[in-house]
Amino acid sequence: KNEVEQSPQNLTAQEGEFITINCSYSVGISALHWLQQHPGGGIVSLFMLSSGKKKHGRLIATINIQEKHSSLHITASHPRDSAVYICAVIRAVGYGGSQGNLIFGKGTKLSVKP
Amino acid sequence: KAGVTQTPRYLIKTRGQQVTLSCSPISGHRSVSWYQQTPGQGLQFLFEYFSETQRNKGNFPGRFSGRQFSNSRSEMNVSTLELGDSALYLCASSSQGQGHTEAFFGQGTRLTVV
Repeated sequence: KNEVEQSPQNLTAQEGEFITINCSYSVGISALHWLQQHPGGGIVSLFMLSSGKKKHGRLIATINIQEKHSSLHITASHPRDSAVYICAVIRAVGYGGSQGNLIFGKGTKLSVKP
Repeated sequence: KAGVTQTPRYLIKTRGQQVTLSCSPISGHRSVSWYQQTPGQGLQFLFEYFSETQRNKGNFPGRFSGRQFSNSRSEMNVSTLELGDSALYLCASSSQGQGHTEAFFGQGTRLTVV
């Protein structure tokens, strides 16, 4: 089982819809990143969070440390939001493996139709 | 502020050869991390350098190595290339390291091994 699971794998939405992408993880973490990757490969860091909620424009990220779960929400989605969204966690001390390594989910491919 | 610069953008090498990729971080950033992205495995952490020292290492064979210079520029080297090393190699810079501060990604180097 992957240590970081994202759902859904693929998502198609109509412009204007509210979108939610979920990320669950099985290790203790010190932080979680949400990343956006456009075709061509460039990656942009959207959020880094270790508790609570962060908002930037139409994007909102939440994390529940007790439930080991994070969500990325996009309000009023637009075709330019079409990209792969990747959740990545930083493994905390005492959870085996190498502390400090980023562990990535497989990504959610979002396509927003006009 | 200039972003993270990776060179070259594209590279074709033959099995058995070795390759060196370069990453210039954002000015003032002391941490550079390297990642491999393949269709099958997704994004995987290779290693992180901070102030010229390797701080974390992922689960890759010894053919993958790196270093960081006093100006924080980093190089990654892969020796005895295998077909499976074909991937997008991304680097990211941050001021204090992944998991501590926001990471900024380069556009990546797409390596094809034939």
